[in-house]
Amino acid sequence: QKEVEQNSGPLSVPEGAIASLNCTYSDRGSQSFFWYRQYSGKSPELIMSIYSNGDKEDGRFTAQLNKASQYVSLLIRDSQPSDSATYLCAVNISGNKLVFGAGTILRVKS
Amino acid sequence: SQTIHQWPATLVQPVGSPLSLECTVEGTSNPNLYWYRQAAGRGLQLLFYSVGIGQISSEVPQNLSASRPQDRQFILSSKKLLLSDSGFYLCAWSPGGPTEAFFGQGTRLTVV
Repeated sequence: QKEVEQNSGPLSVPEGAIASLNCTYSDRGSQSFFWYRQYSGKSPELIMSIYSNGDKEDGRFTAQLNKASQYVSLLIRDSQPSDSATYLCAVNISGNKLVFGAGTILRVKS
Repeated sequence: SQTIHQWPATLVQPVGSPLSLECTVEGTSNPNLYWYRQAAGRGLQLLFYSVGIGQISSEVPQNLSASRPQDRQFILSSKKLLLSDSGFYLCAWSPGGPTEAFFGQGTRLTVV
């Protein structure tokens, strides 16, 4: 079982719609969870961090965490063509080891 | 503010040649440091991470090695490159503990 799993996509949504990205992880003791965005040929950039169960909102982005189900999600409201990228879920395992999922490709169609 | 420097941006090396990639961080002390590799169209594979000088954790057994000779310097090396070593190599730092990491610009390595 992979430590962090994501659907590779691509996920296609029309402009203005909500994009929903999902991630599951295997280590029940994980304490911190992150979403990164990576444009083609560029390095990943952090967009959201979440540490507690529930929702965390930042602008058009909402991260959701359910530790009992070992599940993290990212919602992007009012999706824009500029949101088209690969979204990487990352989980901090054992305090210092940061492991990434394979990423989900998001395509926003105008 | 903290900055991370990684060089070179691109590198073309023949099979069997050595490799040395360097990463340095400014504006922080005792960071966690990470080396990742991303093959074309794939996710980030954690290669090595370090929580302090001389402390290296290896995640993937292969012909790569890492060293941390100074607090804010992380080096990725190979004695003999393989074709399968081609990829996008990313260095990252974090303040330590279960916190987010920040990436350098990456090195695109092509082994020919």
